[in-house]
Amino acid sequence: AQSVTQPDIHITVSEGASLELRCNYSYGATPYLFWYVQSPGQGLQLLLKYFSGDTLVQGIKGFEAEFKRSQSSFNLRKPSVHWSDAAEYFCAVAMDTGRRALTFGSGTRLQVQP
Amino acid sequence: DTGVSQDPRHKITKRGQNVTFRCDPISEHNRLYWYRQTLGQGPEFLTYFQNEAQLEKSRLLSDRFSAERPKGSFSTLEIQRTEQGDSAMYLCASSYGYGMVGQGLEKLFFGSGTQLSVL
Repeated sequence: AQSVTQPDIHITVSEGASLELRCNYSYGATPYLFWYVQSPGQGLQLLLKYFSGDTLVQGIKGFEAEFKRSQSSFNLRKPSVHWSDAAEYFCAVAMDTGRRALTFGSGTRLQVQP
Repeated sequence: DTGVSQDPRHKITKRGQNVTFRCDPISEHNRLYWYRQTLGQGPEFLTYFQNEAQLEKSRLLSDRFSAERPKGSFSTLEIQRTEQGDSAMYLCASSYGYGMVGQGLEKLFFGSGTQLSVL
């Protein structure tokens, strides 16, 4: 069965600092990969996705992620964090075998210090 | 486009009672998903509809749970004889797509959820 691991439950960074959130997946083939953000009282919002092609993908709000097949990873990065980026971030995967639902990681809560 | 709407936002009930949640997807979306999210966890898939057909159900969806999407538009999720373990945020999401699994997943829109507390 596919699974997603986000090793960091909670991360605190200073505003303006760079950010990297880790995501590892377990699956025999290349899955579809996603990063979502969830702010308090808000629905989950898609930041970016990887299906195929260029392994460095750009998303909204200045985020990017890199797919590394050899490490089964899809880490999310941002060069300079803004206070408004404080939220919960979820990595998710979907298989290419007809199952149409996403499997989410347990999330990483990001705090931004002034 | 008003997004995915869920009603109610919060529901407090006593153990053993039945509850029903409603989800109104984005109007042109043919796919609708229900997820459950407990504190400190990511959303867990419950069930999926394409139009009015329920095409997939998770093992998490016990016999006490039932979901419908009678006209391929709004959906309801009912929990019978609620238990304290049912306390969670219930999320609805919708998308438009046909065919391969990837189609539609990239445009998945989530509602803000219904927070259920079972006392």
